[in-house]
Amino acid sequence: DSGVTQTPKHLITATGQRVTLRCSPRSGDLSVYWYQQSLDQGLQFLIQYYNGEERAKGNILERFSAQQFPDLHSELNLSSLELGDSALYFCASSPRLAGRPHEQYFGPGTRLTVT
Amino acid sequence: DAKTTQPTSMDCAEGRAANLPCNHSTISGNEYVYWYRQIHSQGPQYIIHGLKNNETNEMASLIITEDRKSSTLILPHATLRDTAVYYCIVRVFWEAGGTSYGKLTFGQGTILTVHP
Repeated sequence: DSGVTQTPKHLITATGQRVTLRCSPRSGDLSVYWYQQSLDQGLQFLIQYYNGEERAKGNILERFSAQQFPDLHSELNLSSLELGDSALYFCASSPRLAGRPHEQYFGPGTRLTVT
Repeated sequence: DAKTTQPTSMDCAEGRAANLPCNHSTISGNEYVYWYRQIHSQGPQYIIHGLKNNETNEMASLIITEDRKSSTLILPHATLRDTAVYYCIVRVFWEAGGTSYGKLTFGQGTILTVHP
């Protein structure tokens, strides 16, 4: 158990719909990362937040957005869903520099299926 | 971030050492080598990282060549639970304002199968 929690574990929805994935980082971690893992693209970095602010951006579609709240949990919003958005979505958190900053701790993921 | 090359798959007998190679010939002086693994669609798990020197922790050892163009992850006594995809990642360690940040770029990794 990494200490990172993600809900829901599974999500099945239809094309054109909007969903929200939730992530709670490890206690004390201020950084949250989102990754997408699909069969054809592999594991891809989407976005990073640190203490509520966006810090790094990867190949995140404009239909996707994220935010980090004052209690440090994060949400990834996916809208106008397409079949190709079906994937595993992972959240990760990393400690402050005073801890073990090189490590990213991954949650169990949310499996999204778009039908 | 530098590109890495890993074998697609490897086998190892249970109880023996598993040696997973990684080539990163274009690595820059400020880039670290990281190893993560992913067991059957679970979230990736950090294993070890290094810059220049060899490193060892409770999970594995990391051997980095002197020219830093390649490295080897060693699992000293592989078990069936070590069957996973192992990713070698090279990246700059960014830090500012009390945190590290920056993406991990995952390649295809090496599928390690540990046999009884």
